[in-house]
Amino acid sequence: TQLLEQSPQFLSIQEGENLTVYCNSSSVFSSLQWYRQEPGEGPVLLVTVVTGGEVKKLKRLTFQFGDARKDSSLHITAAQPGDTGLYLCAGVTSGTYKYIFGTGTRLKVLA
Amino acid sequence: DVKVTQSSRYLVKRTGEKVFLECVQDMDHENMFWYRQDPGLGLRLIYFSYDVKMKEKGDIPEGYSVSREKKERFSLILESASTNQTSMYLCASSSSGGWGNEQFFGPGTRLTVL
Repeated sequence: TQLLEQSPQFLSIQEGENLTVYCNSSSVFSSLQWYRQEPGEGPVLLVTVVTGGEVKKLKRLTFQFGDARKDSSLHITAAQPGDTGLYLCAGVTSGTYKYIFGTGTRLKVLA
Repeated sequence: DVKVTQSSRYLVKRTGEKVFLECVQDMDHENMFWYRQDPGLGLRLIYFSYDVKMKEKGDIPEGYSVSREKKERFSLILESASTNQTSMYLCASSSSGGWGNEQFFGPGTRLTVL
């Protein structure tokens, strides 16, 4: 069974701080996605990365796909209370419709 | 505005009852998915469907079945609900034509089995 481990599981920081969330696997993925889920809602896609070593930026969020396409990271610069939520990574293996979701990182940004 | 809707936000059922969870998408997507979400475990795939009347088991299909009679509707059925099926259930859809297309999620159904 493919697994995606996320770390840390919980993170509580002050507004303005930087943070990094990691998503690791022993499996190779053809693409990897990051979602954010707010209370009472379903996850919403933030970004998809498909090339090993790829870096994508979305305002204060920077996403990186590992060179070997087994891991990814999400870096948030100057976190704001609006960044609070559950962050999930999801990997897709070519030839399958299945998305393997990570265990999740629950982020709380305090004003 | 694209949408995935789920029939109930909250549901309370008794052990042994048959439970139907309905999901409807308005994006003409070929693929539809049912997940359950439990703290510390992320989202685990129960079943998915890549076409009408087609279904494939996910990672945890035991105790569940699905039905997809129309393209826009995907139903999850708990044949005989048990307390260990208390969870948040999320439905999602995506288009075909490429691996890793964006999944659009419904708001979830929080099911409690007493």
